[in-house]
Amino acid sequence: GAGVSQSPSNKVTEKGKDVELRCDPISGHTALYWYRQSLGQGLEFLIYFQGNSAPDKSGLPSDRFSAERTGGSVSTLTIQRTQQEDSAVYLCASRRGRAFYNEQFFGPGTRLTVL
Amino acid sequence: GQQLNQSPQSMFIQEGEDVSMNCTSSSIFNTWLWYKQDPGEGPVLLIALYKAGELTSNGRLTAQFGITRKDSFLNISASIPSDVGIYFCAGQLEGGSQGNLIFGKGTKLSVKP
Repeated sequence: GAGVSQSPSNKVTEKGKDVELRCDPISGHTALYWYRQSLGQGLEFLIYFQGNSAPDKSGLPSDRFSAERTGGSVSTLTIQRTQQEDSAVYLCASRRGRAFYNEQFFGPGTRLTVL
Repeated sequence: GQQLNQSPQSMFIQEGEDVSMNCTSSSIFNTWLWYKQDPGEGPVLLIALYKAGELTSNGRLTAQFGITRKDSFLNISASIPSDVGIYFCAGQLEGGSQGNLIFGKGTKLSVKP
């Protein structure tokens, strides 16, 4: 497809389990972002990948969160030992280039529920 | 972290009415963006603003980048039922990391048909 895709669309897990969320950006987009959206809140920046540069991890809330981007394309956000406060919608976005005026295109998100 | 104060939190208006929402911050931004999010979807960009004082329209939507670079507003004229959704402002901080956006908490718009 032409847009950003994310999988799974919904994930229910038990507290303490690890989860992996996947993002397929738009082909050719060099920048990839992960955001977290809690109920009734705006989007919280988590991590930013730009080409082959070291990622900006400044938004990751704890060391239980990590992300990888393989081959400059697909990205996986991993949450270890999930907690109930991790329940949120995790949104991925990609952007064509480095320039600030390039639009970020968002995927539909993965809704994570930690029981 | 940095905050964008977006208001109002929610609005419930009659079809045909005009709508106004705004975002303010104590920090200076070099970009202001307005997004709309429908249920189960990611946000979609409505309007992007790159210069202080810039006034930009997209159909019935008009947005402005405040002169002080610390605020922005979005107006929707003659609202229709499909305007329902959550509207987010977002900005890139002056001197901030490339492309990292700070989002407001959203304005939920409900329109009575």
